[in-house]
Amino acid sequence: GIQVEQSPPDLILQEGANSTLRCNFSDSVNNLQWFHQNPWGQLINLFYIPSGTKQNGRLSATTVATERYSLLYISSSQTTDSGVYFCAVERNAGGTSYGKLTFGQGTILTVHP
Amino acid sequence: DAGVTQSPTHLIKTRGQHVTLRCSPISGHKSVSWYQQVLGQGPQFIFQYYEKEERGRGNFPDRFSARQFPNYSSELNVNALLLGDSALYLCASSLRQPSYEQYFGPGTRLTVT
Repeated sequence: GIQVEQSPPDLILQEGANSTLRCNFSDSVNNLQWFHQNPWGQLINLFYIPSGTKQNGRLSATTVATERYSLLYISSSQTTDSGVYFCAVERNAGGTSYGKLTFGQGTILTVHP
Repeated sequence: DAGVTQSPTHLIKTRGQHVTLRCSPISGHKSVSWYQQVLGQGPQFIFQYYEKEERGRGNFPDRFSARQFPNYSSELNVNALLLGDSALYLCASSLRQPSYEQYFGPGTRLTVT
């Protein structure tokens, strides 16, 4: 199956710092999503970004599908940004979606005040 | 609009028992997927249902089964519970076309003793 690798596994920042999280994947995809998992386990959608660049406030993401990686940028980090960030992909099966997202192991982000 | 809902929120069962978890998708979404997340890992795909048919299955034993109802809600059933089945069970829904973006519910936290 498709492999998803996220880096770094852990990241500790001071409030106000910027950061970049990376997601590498091993095959072509028709779905790539970034999630933030809060302490109660809820997966919050950040971006649906199988290709291209998107921005939402202090967060932005870029996926270079031809090179099989995606980046999540967090600027001016806040303590509320703390949590686990997951990248998840669905392999491109000729246009058919089976709803099978494969998740990376996540990046644990801690932002100190 | 209501998001994906799941019930119950928490559940404690004994080894060997059976459990049923429930999920209601976002209104208008016809695809439901189930995931298992054990502590410290990313979610793992269990099933996808679309238009009441199983369209995808992950690497889980036959003790796991699911179904989708005419109103697109879904149930996940697990028989003969093992200690290793203790996990957060997540349900996601999507339109499937034109966008494959998945939206997750808050999860059911299952503890097997």
